[in-house]
Amino acid sequence: DADVTQTPRNRITKTGKRIMLECSQTKGHDRMYWYRQDPGLGLRLIYYSFDVKDINKGEISDGYSVSRQAQAKFSLSLESAIPNQTALYFCATSDALGGGGDTQYFGPGTRLTVL
Amino acid sequence: KQEVTQIPAALSVPEGENLVLNCSFTDSAIYNLQWFRQDPGKGLTSLLLIQSSQREQTSGRLNASLDKSSGRSTLYIAASQPGDSATYLCAVYSGSARQLTFGSGTQLTVLP
Repeated sequence: DADVTQTPRNRITKTGKRIMLECSQTKGHDRMYWYRQDPGLGLRLIYYSFDVKDINKGEISDGYSVSRQAQAKFSLSLESAIPNQTALYFCATSDALGGGGDTQYFGPGTRLTVL
Repeated sequence: KQEVTQIPAALSVPEGENLVLNCSFTDSAIYNLQWFRQDPGKGLTSLLLIQSSQREQTSGRLNASLDKSSGRSTLYIAASQPGDSATYLCAVYSGSARQLTFGSGTQLTVLP
């Protein structure tokens, strides 16, 4: 089984709908991240969490919210989806043994289309 | 604000060639630099991580170098194979920002 899983893998929705993307990990890592990838722009950080009680905004958090339900689960919500949130979304994890900047392990991604 | 640039955006080479992918970053105050491989539908896989105090890292046919003062890194792939075809992403970790900043990637195609 994969260490980092994301559900759903693909989702098509309409403008104004609420959407939740879920991420689970079995690596035992404390740190979890949500990124989005747009063509030609690389990955950009939406939110990150260094433990269950530590959640931080990333570069592009507007329009998104997150919930860290447990060490292994980190969910991303779009309260009212809009077309420019159409993108590929990745969840990632890392441990903190190196004091930061450790290797990140990525899930397979969720392709979200907002019509 | 850290910015990461990767050139070229796409590269096509015949099998067996040695090749170099380039990455540059604007703020040299980095904690480390990481190279990832991205395959369609499979997310990103970490290839190499170079700490700011290191000059290079090697893994099999891959060698990554880091020149922090000039804001540059290269990923050298020896004896390329069709299975190396993927998008390669460079990312830098800035301790002050506590996050990775990614380049937009180089899409590599190795022709049989």
